[in-house]
Amino acid sequence: EVQLVESGGVVIQPRGSLRLSCTASGFTFEDYMMHWVRQAPGKGLEWVSLISWDGDTTYYADSVKGRFTISRDNTKNSLYLQMNSLRSDDTALYYCARGGRSGGNDYWGQGTLVTVSS
Amino acid sequence: DIQMTQSPSSLSASVGDRVTITCRASQSISYFLNWYQQKPGKAPKLLIYGESSLQSGVPSRFRGSGSGTDFTLTISSLQPEDFATYYCQQSYSAPRTFGQGTKLDIK
Repeated sequence: EVQLVESGGVVIQPRGSLRLSCTASGFTFEDYMMHWVRQAPGKGLEWVSLISWDGDTTYYADSVKGRFTISRDNTKNSLYLQMNSLRSDDTALYYCARGGRSGGNDYWGQGTLVTVSS
Repeated sequence: DIQMTQSPSSLSASVGDRVTITCRASQSISYFLNWYQQKPGKAPKLLIYGESSLQSGVPSRFRGSGSGTDFTLTISSLQPEDFATYYCQQSYSAPRTFGQGTKLDIK
């Protein structure tokens, strides 16, 4: 069974830094592109970032470019999101999602909540 | 960046109704269009990928169509479990933008 489990969400002050993790199981992690998607309270889905299977290619939403860094460790079946210079509008539930071969995100974690507040 | 616009933003319907949600891309995305369903407190679920391919386990009452810039999600006969929020997403290029969502509730 495919499972994605996010962790690392906390309440943090503006301008702080945080690293989210996502641990994958039930599939060959290194074969898949991975994504981060977030959802602010009561709002819609916002795509954040993706990383290729080997970590060589990354993309970011304009809203996080230069502040967030996606990475992965295929030896640990883990995906990461380093978040720097956090702002109040980064407050959201952060999901990791597998990039299916079809192009859609076919498996999602349950999300980890990041709250940026003083 | 490619902008995705869904309509309507909300929709009220009854069990057994046929409903259609539309999604328009700001430029051609070929058939690289996905649809998701999200229920309150749950992660999104992939329903349709590649504009019209049904994800495994998704009932056949869900159908996707379109190409280029204009796409539709049709639910042929609404069931009680279908009341949720639906999102389109383009996977043609990064950033992989989502539509703003369509909330489908019970009339």
